[in-house]
Amino acid sequence: GQQVMQIPQYQHVQEGEDFTTYCNSSTTLSNIQWYKQRPGGHPVFLIQLVKSGEVKKQKRLTFQFGEAKKNSSLHITATQTTDVGTYFCAGCPPPSNSGAGSYQLTFGKGTKLSVIP
Amino acid sequence: DVKVTQSSRYLVKRTGEKVFLECVQDMDHENMFWYRQDPGLGLRLIYFSYDVKMKEKGDIPEGYSVSREKKERFSLILESASTNQTSMYLCASRGRRITDTQYFGPGTRLTVL
Repeated sequence: GQQVMQIPQYQHVQEGEDFTTYCNSSTTLSNIQWYKQRPGGHPVFLIQLVKSGEVKKQKRLTFQFGEAKKNSSLHITATQTTDVGTYFCAGCPPPSNSGAGSYQLTFGKGTKLSVIP
Repeated sequence: DVKVTQSSRYLVKRTGEKVFLECVQDMDHENMFWYRQDPGLGLRLIYFSYDVKMKEKGDIPEGYSVSREKKERFSLILESASTNQTSMYLCASRGRRITDTQYFGPGTRLTVL
């Protein structure tokens, strides 16, 4: 089945440093979604990428979807303490004829970001 | 505002007890999911349901069962709780389109003594 690998598992950065997490799928994806889970909270949707080579920005966050639609990255410029949390990528397979139960998201294990003030 | 609610934030049970975790969503979503989350292991899918009365095993279904009698409600059942089922349990729901996003509940922290 589809597997989504995410690295690194943990990242500690000094406030103001940049941060990047990478997501790689064993198969081509239809789209990729990114979620953020704050400490003590639950994952919350951040953004979705659909097109090959797509780049989207949300303030200091930059999201990329690879040309082959098998990998993605999230880059945070000049981290702040509010960026602390775990970032998950989640990929969806392309449409198939398998009927009901299709199009389920497969989540990576997440990257836990700590920011040292 | 969309909502996924879970019956308890914290639960303490004893080994061997039957445990019910309830999840309700108000978005008319076809798909509902149960995950458990443990440090370093990410979100592990236990079961999911893509329609009323339909269920499919996820990656770690052993020791769990589920019930979906109504579209908005998805229950996770631990028939005989064990200490290794101490974990954070997250429910989620999602529509049926490829581009639909997934909404998570606040989670239930279950401790089995």
